[in-house]
Amino acid sequence: AQKVTQAQTEISVVEKEDVTLDCVYETRDTTYYLFWYKQPPSGELVFLIRRNSFDEQNEISGRYSWNFQKSTSSFNFTITASQVVDSAVYFCALSVLTDSWGKLQFGAGTQVVVTP
Amino acid sequence: DTGVSQDPRHKITKRGQNVTFRCDPISEHNRLYWYRQTLGQGPEFLTYFQNEAQLEKSRLLSDRFSAERPKGSFSTLEIQRTEQGDSAMYLCASSPADSVRETQYFGPGTRLLVL
Repeated sequence: AQKVTQAQTEISVVEKEDVTLDCVYETRDTTYYLFWYKQPPSGELVFLIRRNSFDEQNEISGRYSWNFQKSTSSFNFTITASQVVDSAVYFCALSVLTDSWGKLQFGAGTQVVVTP
Repeated sequence: DTGVSQDPRHKITKRGQNVTFRCDPISEHNRLYWYRQTLGQGPEFLTYFQNEAQLEKSRLLSDRFSAERPKGSFSTLEIQRTEQGDSAMYLCASSPADSVRETQYFGPGTRLLVL
């Protein structure tokens, strides 16, 4: 069985501070996919990034960056120079190749609150 | 290119009533998923369609729940004899079928409140 843990329930920062969201996953599969989604107050889940288990290259995209470490089963996400519009719930999710239908296993989410 | 749409966005009903939600996936997307999200939790998988075939149902989907995708395009999720525990956000997602695990794109969800 797969499991995703987001230990941080809520993180509050002041605008322009950096925010790092932790995600730890569990799976016995060797081929899997990791995702980050953002859920603003409107409710719609917005896709941010996907990584497969063979691609440990970390990535920076604008103010977002991701740190994938298989050795520690972690897939952390950092927002640099946070802005009020970054306020949302962020979800880490996992799907495994042996699950033919690709359903996502989500963590409980981390609420990010950015104040001016 | 329009995204996934869901209707209605909000639904308030009394316990015991039936409700039906609709999801229109991104055109050309073969795969369609339904998830349920309760307050403070991440979405949980309910069911999955590949074209018109319903290929997997979660144990969360009791006999009161039924989903269809009759022509492989839009999908409906019906809840019969609603209970207060059914109050949640119902999310629909779609993705293209591919040999590589594809990204699921989500709709805005339907918020259900059962009184």
